[in-house]
Amino acid sequence: AIQLTQSPSSLSASVGDRVTITCRASQGISSALAWYQQKPGKAPKLLIYDASSLESGVPSRFSGSGSGTDFTLTISSLQPEDFATYYCQQFNSYPHAFGPGTKVDIK
Amino acid sequence: QVQLVQSGAEVKKPGSSVKVSCKASGGTFSSYTISWVRQAPGQGLEWMGRIIPILGIANYAQKFQGRVTITADKSTSTAYMELSSLRSEDTAVYYCARRPLAVAGYDYWGQGTLVTVSS
Repeated sequence: AIQLTQSPSSLSASVGDRVTITCRASQGISSALAWYQQKPGKAPKLLIYDASSLESGVPSRFSGSGSGTDFTLTISSLQPEDFATYYCQQFNSYPHAFGPGTKVDIK
Repeated sequence: QVQLVQSGAEVKKPGSSVKVSCKASGGTFSSYTISWVRQAPGQGLEWMGRIIPILGIANYAQKFQGRVTITADKSTSTAYMELSSLRSEDTAVYYCARRPLAVAGYDYWGQGTLVTVSS
């Protein structure tokens, strides 16, 4: 089974900061990767699909890049509503595993 | 407006089974796959399996093989996840999620169903 790792596991940042989260797959997954944002007590929300496509309604400060084994989620200018946990998920093969998550909190 | 509405919270005894439903509205049920994801308290997201409703074909994570059954009723646009031989470690919020065909991402999620396993 394909394993996903995320780094960092947590980070503290300030409003306006540029934030980058990395997701690495244990083997190549082409562009079959999604990014989600989850806030406490809520279902995850899709941000990026197919590694780099912005989901409708998601602010343009979110972007995704990468293919193969290395992927990045970037928030260009962190906003107060962006403090949350972020997960990547691969769709290349079963099981469609998630990464362990990256918690973004306020510095 | 697309919605996935799940059944309510459950409290179950160890060794019993639970069946959670996920009713879809506002979209074409047969144009998507439905997956089930769970989240134990304070933990990350765990993929359990998925079904292609139009075909009735399901795939499961090996961890749950033999204990989980995912089904779909096209006539009511409802998917189901049944988990048997429950243990305390199965206490979690269970989510259904919709994936458009040939897209890597779940665009809509249910609200979650808390299943508590306790003696």
